[in-house]
Amino acid sequence: EADIYQTPRYLVIGTGKKITLECSQTMGHDKMYWYQQDPGMELHLIHYSYGVNSTEKGDLSSESTVSRIRTEHFPLTLESARPSHTSQYLCASRGRPDTQYFGPGTRLTVL
Amino acid sequence: GENVEQHPSTLSVQEGDSAVIKCTYSDSASNYFPWYKQELGKGPQLIIDIRSNVGEKKDQRIAVTLNKTAKHFSLHITETQPEDSAVYFCAARTWGGGSNYKLTFGKGTLLTVNP
Repeated sequence: EADIYQTPRYLVIGTGKKITLECSQTMGHDKMYWYQQDPGMELHLIHYSYGVNSTEKGDLSSESTVSRIRTEHFPLTLESARPSHTSQYLCASRGRPDTQYFGPGTRLTVL
Repeated sequence: GENVEQHPSTLSVQEGDSAVIKCTYSDSASNYFPWYKQELGKGPQLIIDIRSNVGEKKDQRIAVTLNKTAKHFSLHITETQPEDSAVYFCAARTWGGGSNYKLTFGKGTLLTVNP
């Protein structure tokens, strides 16, 4: 069982609000990832980090931002949420040698 | 970059039958291929993986085969049960720059096992 947590699990907010999706892991993994999962199931990498103070944009352009101040914590922020941001957001971390563990996800709805 | 294609996108089988999901990849340098199962309302969970130095791996009712020459790998589930119903993703580990790698995922297969 992977020790990776996401909060909140579900979030419904109005347009223009600032939100932060939390992700934390207790496995000491350096590498962490954020994926956006559309209703068609496909996983899109939007951000990743190779360690503290390291953040990179993923394959899918996203208006969100991330930070990595502590190894165990990798929050994702939307400064001004819009209906187009409605989606499932999955956080993951990777241990040695290659196993990637996913959190349970946050389902975001922007009205 | 790497491209992973997964087929079929949906698969319906009767309980007890076998299910096969196939993936192809484009980057011959890819050398690690995990499979994930995602149940409704949950994040994907690793169910089996295979490295490029191995042609087949089995874990109880699930097995994965890899053909490096043809650049394809498959997931086989035997004696399917209703609890096998989920979305399954294949992935290939690709070069992410420096000494780091990232996973490129297929688009997923929705497997339904009918009682």
